[in-house]
Amino acid sequence: GAVVSQHPSWVICKSGTSVKIECRSLDFQATTMFWYRQFPKQSLMLMATSNEGSKATYEQGVEKDKFLINHASLTLSTLTVTSAHPEDSSFYICSAPGQGSAEQYFGPGTRLTVT
Amino acid sequence: AQSVTQLGSHVSVSEGALVLLRCNYSSSVPPYLFWYVQYPNQGLQLLLKYTSAATLVKGINGFEAEFKKSETSFHLTKPSAHMSDAAEYFCAAASGGQNFVFGPGTRLSVLP
Repeated sequence: GAVVSQHPSWVICKSGTSVKIECRSLDFQATTMFWYRQFPKQSLMLMATSNEGSKATYEQGVEKDKFLINHASLTLSTLTVTSAHPEDSSFYICSAPGQGSAEQYFGPGTRLTVT
Repeated sequence: AQSVTQLGSHVSVSEGALVLLRCNYSSSVPPYLFWYVQYPNQGLQLLLKYTSAATLVKGINGFEAEFKKSETSFHLTKPSAHMSDAAEYFCAAASGGQNFVFGPGTRLSVLP
């Protein structure tokens, strides 16, 4: 089956620094990928849609200058949290739609802790 | 806009008892519907999905769900709970298979 990986699985950074999270589709191509954020004991909230070769589409309330998304190839999307603050600490999950199906394949998530 | 509700943020059952997790969707057009399970600090694992074929959908680990258009529901059931079923469960709806909307989640506890 289709596999989506994320790297790193967890990261701790200091306030003010930037962190890059990678999302890869391992055995299929994805022109679109989705980035979600999940706070403790809450559901997943869609942050943005990553589009290969074009600008990402951000959901209302998500700062595009803070959460930089780059979809440079058909198998890789990156999310960079710039000038991170403790309130950015969260679980970030990416997904990619399956080919010709209604399904989304989710990555294992990245736990970000900003100190 | 599509919305998904899950009645009960926390459900507790005894081991061996029936599991029933509720999900309702808001769209007038039946969307694609999914149930995912999430263990602590892990991603989402697909349990089952409804894509307008059979209304009773069987998934992994003994779970199944029934799509009821008249009730706009897609409740998840398992006849006999196992300790390993303790996790967070999310119902999700998608129109056109792309834009997923997740429910708030239900935490299932299984008591020995």
